[in-house]
Amino acid sequence: EVQLVQSGPEVKNPGATMKISCKASGFIFRDHCMHWVRHVPGKGLEWMGLFDPEDHESIYERGFQGRVTITADTSTDTVYMELMNLRSEDSAMYYCAKGVNSLGVLDNWGQGTLVTVSS
Amino acid sequence: IVMTQSPDSLAVSLGERATINCKSSQSLLFASNNKNYLAWYQKKQGQPPKLLIYWASTRESGVPDRFSGSGSGTDFTLTISSLQAEDVAVYYCQQYYTTAVFTFGPGTKVDVK
Repeated sequence: EVQLVQSGPEVKNPGATMKISCKASGFIFRDHCMHWVRHVPGKGLEWMGLFDPEDHESIYERGFQGRVTITADTSTDTVYMELMNLRSEDSAMYYCAKGVNSLGVLDNWGQGTLVTVSS
Repeated sequence: IVMTQSPDSLAVSLGERATINCKSSQSLLFASNNKNYLAWYQKKQGQPPKLLIYWASTRESGVPDRFSGSGSGTDFTLTISSLQAEDVAVYYCQQYYTTAVFTFGPGTKVDVK
């Protein structure tokens, strides 16, 4: 059974950096890109970027370039998402998701990590 | 690629049909394999999104057959043939045509009338 277990909720000050994790199990990690998507309350889903375990490359949505870093530890099948210079608009539920191979179809999702940015 | 959806929200009686439209700013049909790179997700409050449909019309395993997807090129439709109470959710289309830049539509909220 595929499982994606994310780290717990976080409260951050504006300007701070957050790093959340997603531990994967139940599938061959290196065969699937891992994605991060966020859901801002009252707004829609926003794709942030992905990590490709096959070549250890990350690709980011243009709007997050320079602020987001997605990495992974393939020895523990864990993917991380770091977002810098946080602002109040970054308050959201953040989800990791497993891609179908290298496609952008997201067939399994983590439970979500709530991040609150407030002074 | 910009994705739009209509309507923003709709209310349907239980057992009635719900139809959601999704439009992309460019064709999602890949000529070499004749596949449309379009997926549909269901997002219930307090839950992560759930994949319903991919390749525009292929139902994910375990998804009830009252959910169906259709369309090609730039215009797509998600149909719930007989709305059930558990279908109350926001539905999103998503394109995965452009390599590594995957955009969602703004969502359509479905409620029971």
